[in-house]
Amino acid sequence: NAGVMQNPRHLVRRRGQEARLRCSPMKGHSHVYWYRQLPEEGLKFMVYLQKENIIDESGMPKERFSAEFPKEGPSILRIQQVVRGDSAAYFCASSPPQRGNNEQFFGPGTRLTVL
Amino acid sequence: RKEVEQDPGPFNVPEGATVAFNCTYSNSASQSFFWYRQDCRKEPKLLMSVYSSGNEDGRFTAQLNRASQYISLLIRDSKLSDSATYLCAQRHQKVTFGTGTKLQVIP
Repeated sequence: NAGVMQNPRHLVRRRGQEARLRCSPMKGHSHVYWYRQLPEEGLKFMVYLQKENIIDESGMPKERFSAEFPKEGPSILRIQQVVRGDSAAYFCASSPPQRGNNEQFFGPGTRLTVL
Repeated sequence: RKEVEQDPGPFNVPEGATVAFNCTYSNSASQSFFWYRQDCRKEPKLLMSVYSSGNEDGRFTAQLNRASQYISLLIRDSKLSDSATYLCAQRHQKVTFGTGTKLQVIP
């Protein structure tokens, strides 16, 4: 059972370009979460999605950021017109659909560098 | 007030020592609690869930105190390989993480 997959692992963009980060949850998991982590800082919640639904996007910046989790395929975090301040590690986590503790399992992250 | 607060440390302890971290949370309706370990430039890995009755896994013991709204992690007989940042998390509708406590075990 493969773990949470994220790609690319490293992404370099110039200011103004678009960044697309992909996350494939663990098999059987239908809940996906995106977090951002700046160097020497904690994980900041961005968005919580289930298949085809955004459940909580309270941590998403109002502009330039969007996320989706289509019926088929990975979850995508999209950052338009990137700026230097977007440079960070972006982690995706998934959890199973059943009730309970809902432990989250993390992917290896995508390290975005904006030049 | 932050939803989850941790002492950032660092905690520098000798090998073999016992070390304890606390983590306070602000939402009394929080339903689930977790400890994660994060190594430098890696993803967080689930260490253990925290149950009301407390739970133990080898050298690690986690406890929950709902009255005072904190969770704790005790590490006995510290190993060099325990050096990492320890993140606590609570879940109420969504999971919120603390900023982590850095542990350095010294030979």
